[in-house]
Amino acid sequence: QVQLAQSGAEVEKPGASVKVSCRPSGYTLTGYYMHWVRQAPGQGLEWMGWINPDSGATNYAQKFQGRVTMTRDTSINTAYMELSRLRSDDTAVYYCAREFNSGVGNFDLWGRGTLVTVSS
Amino acid sequence: QSVLTQPPSASGTPGQRVTISCSGSSSNIGSNTVNWFQQLPGTAPKLLIYTNIQRPSGVPDRFSGSKSGTSASLVISGLQSEDEAHYYCASWHDSLNAWVFGGGTKLTVL
Repeated sequence: QVQLAQSGAEVEKPGASVKVSCRPSGYTLTGYYMHWVRQAPGQGLEWMGWINPDSGATNYAQKFQGRVTMTRDTSINTAYMELSRLRSDDTAVYYCAREFNSGVGNFDLWGRGTLVTVSS
Repeated sequence: QSVLTQPPSASGTPGQRVTISCSGSSSNIGSNTVNWFQQLPGTAPKLLIYTNIQRPSGVPDRFSGSKSGTSASLVISGLQSEDEAHYYCASWHDSLNAWVFGGGTKLTVL
């Protein structure tokens, strides 16, 4: 079964960092771009950036540049999103999403989401 | 404030046809295609329409999309109770070099 398995919920203090993982099953990570999208409680979707798992190239939304790092480990077929200098308004569910055709934005496969809570 | 503008809410009765709009600019919808996502309560988003009009395998043909100029629309025909969800449009924004979403429309089936 094709799916994306994300790591579990995290609780972090302001100023800390969090690293969320996303592991595809049923296909090879390097075959498709991986995007990260977040959703604050009761709010809409916000795109954070993408990684080309084959080359490692990344493109981050301007809002997150300098704070987000998207990486991958092809040996274990896993993508990661790390967000640093966390603030309370970073509290959100973070989703990874596969883009079936690069540049089209057809995010056809989503993880179940990882809740990151930032609280002192 | 989202770059793409959607009505916050829409409603209809079973069997009705409902249209959800998405308004953008020449930097996004005007020069790129539009995708639509459905998010049922407590679940991850699901791709509903891509490249303006295409339906992924498994999406009923009750769902259709269109685009004209800097606006796009999602039409749901033969509304069903299970269509009650949030709907989001998305498009590439050239100058931001980013994917942008609408603020979402909550569809209520009365």
